[in-house]
Amino acid sequence: DIVMTQSPLSLPVTPGEPASISCRSSQSLLHSDGYTYLDWYLQRPGQSPQLLIYFGSTRASGVPDRFSGSGSGTDFTLKISRVEADDVGVYYCMQALQAVSFGGGTKVEIK
Amino acid sequence: QVQLQESGPGLVKPSETLSLTCSVSGYPIISGSYWGWIRQPPGNRLEWIGTIDHSERTDYNPSLTSRVTISVDTSKDQLSLRMGSLTAADTAIYYCARASGGTRGIFDIWGQGTMVTVSS
Repeated sequence: DIVMTQSPLSLPVTPGEPASISCRSSQSLLHSDGYTYLDWYLQRPGQSPQLLIYFGSTRASGVPDRFSGSGSGTDFTLKISRVEADDVGVYYCMQALQAVSFGGGTKVEIK
Repeated sequence: QVQLQESGPGLVKPSETLSLTCSVSGYPIISGSYWGWIRQPPGNRLEWIGTIDHSERTDYNPSLTSRVTISVDTSKDQLSLRMGSLTAADTAIYYCARASGGTRGIFDIWGQGTMVTVSS
């Protein structure tokens, strides 16, 4: 089983400042087809998760460009260039290389 | 606009079988794509249950496969989840979602979720 580990668990942020979330997988998420099967989701309070990033770095339709995904192999990062109040919630990374599994989540809140 | 709506009993007794339905609108299931079930126990991380395509090819979480069946009804544009031998650990919000990546995730559209409590 591929285990996904996120850090930090909680991230207090100041509006307008950048933020960064780390996700590590227990094995490489690079498939032989050349794709990296790593997604990022945001779950706002009381809402369903929303897709932000797939293939590690491709923004989903309608996602603001202040969100960016990077990384390769086993280490990945989600960055928010300038945090807005609407960005609060829990962020999850998810791998789909072998079955599907999610990280434990990072709760982003405004300071 | 594609929309998904889960429905089912809010309360189920231990050892019984859960049956949930996800109604899809704005996109005929027979057109293609894959569809998944994901759940979220209170205060816990998201857990993938399984994925199905319009031809009923399925892929299940190995930890749940012995208790789970996912099916589709293309005539009704619905997918269903059946989970047996329920325990309190199955208490969770259950979501259906479209998997644009097929068996590779990319859950781009989600239902609002339905809360299921397992209790006597």
